[in-house]
Formats: sequence, structure tokens, C-alpha cells
Amino acid sequence: EPEVTQTPSHQVTQMGQEVILRCVPISNHLYFYWYRQILGQKVEFLVSFYNNEISEKSEIFDDQFSVERPDGSNFTLKIRSTKLEDSAMYFCASSRQGAVNTIYFGEGSWLTVV
Amino acid sequence: KNEVEQSPQNLTAQEGEFITINCSYSVGISALHWLQQHPGGGIVSLFMLSSGKKKHGRLIATINIQEKHSSLHITASHPRDSAVYICAVARFGNEKLTFGTGTRLTIIP
Repeated sequence: EPEVTQTPSHQVTQMGQEVILRCVPISNHLYFYWYRQILGQKVEFLVSFYNNEISEKSEIFDDQFSVERPDGSNFTLKIRSTKLEDSAMYFCASSRQGAVNTIYFGEGSWLTVV
Repeated sequence: KNEVEQSPQNLTAQEGEFITINCSYSVGISALHWLQQHPGGGIVSLFMLSSGKKKHGRLIATINIQEKHSSLHITASHPRDSAVYICAVARFGNEKLTFGTGTRLTIIP
């Protein structure tokens, strides 16, 4: 079965450093998402991406965050200057036709900011 | 008040028992998703519902749009069903999923 893959699975970074989390969505999907889950809390939406642009973003997704689909297969989340509170599991997800279709999640990238 | 409420928060049952997890939401939705989160953290989609009922193996999901309520049932539960089960909804016209806090299910052999 096709799957969404994410790298790295775990990253430890110093506060203030830039981090790039990478995702390869399922190849014929058109909608891409980033979600995050702080330890012990519920999953939160960050951003959705369709037709090469952000279609929706949450209040969490401020100027420190950006997304990119640089080459038609990868989908990246960049955090420009990490804060301690950015420590979380970040999930990439994709769907063929959006939220009214099955959404496939990657295994997640654990980000620890120290 | 959270847009998505799940109950119970924790559920422990004996192997073989019939399990029901409930989800209530307070907004108009285009879809409701049931997801399973493994102990390692990965999330797997179980069902996407916009009306009625769906069945996959021992899992059944139902939704009542008028009452803004959905249930996930597991028949003949097994220890491998132990996981966190999460309900998430998509509002009309939105791509964003709003998640419930999850139900931690433990099945004892």
C-alpha cells in the first residue's frame, strides 16, 4: 500500500536553529498537510497546501514557519528559528481530494528543541 | 468548549468484549475521520464518514449528522486493538481537521 514517508524520524536541535522536516506524499495525491502533536496533547493543524500554494493555515503557523514543494515529490516544513515550545511530533499527511477523502499520515518526525 | 469531544478518555476491557467509543462535535461538518494512533506515535486512518455507516473487518463506524454524533465499535476485541482512537472533523469548506483528545483503549488478554 502506498505510504507517506517522513524524514528525519527524530531530530534534536538547539534553540534558534533552523529545522527542515521532509515528507514524500503519496504520488497521485493533490492535498498536503502538516500537523503537530505536543507530548500529551491532541493533534493540531498547522497548514494545508494545494495547487502549489497554502490553502489554509492555523494561528500556530506564523512567520517562523514555511512550507515548500520544491520538486514535485517532496513537501517540506521549515521552522526558521526554533523555540523550546516547537518541541513536538510533526506529522505530514496527504489526500487525493482533500478532507472529504481518506487522509494518509506519515509516521511523524519527533523534534526536540534544547 | 472543544469542537470535538470524545468519550471515554480511557477504556480498559477484556479480550473479546464489544467496544464503543463516542465522538460528539458542535459544528457543521463535511467529513468525520476515525484514526488510530499506535504507541510509537504513527497515525493510521480507519474511516472517513460523511453519512451512515461503514464496516471494515471487526470495526464499524456510524455517524448521525442531525445529532452531531459518531461512534466507533470494535467487535471481538483483541490485545492488538490497544491504541489511542481519535475522532477528527472537517468543517464545510475547510481542509483543516480538528481533532478530539483521543480515547486510550487497552485490551487485556
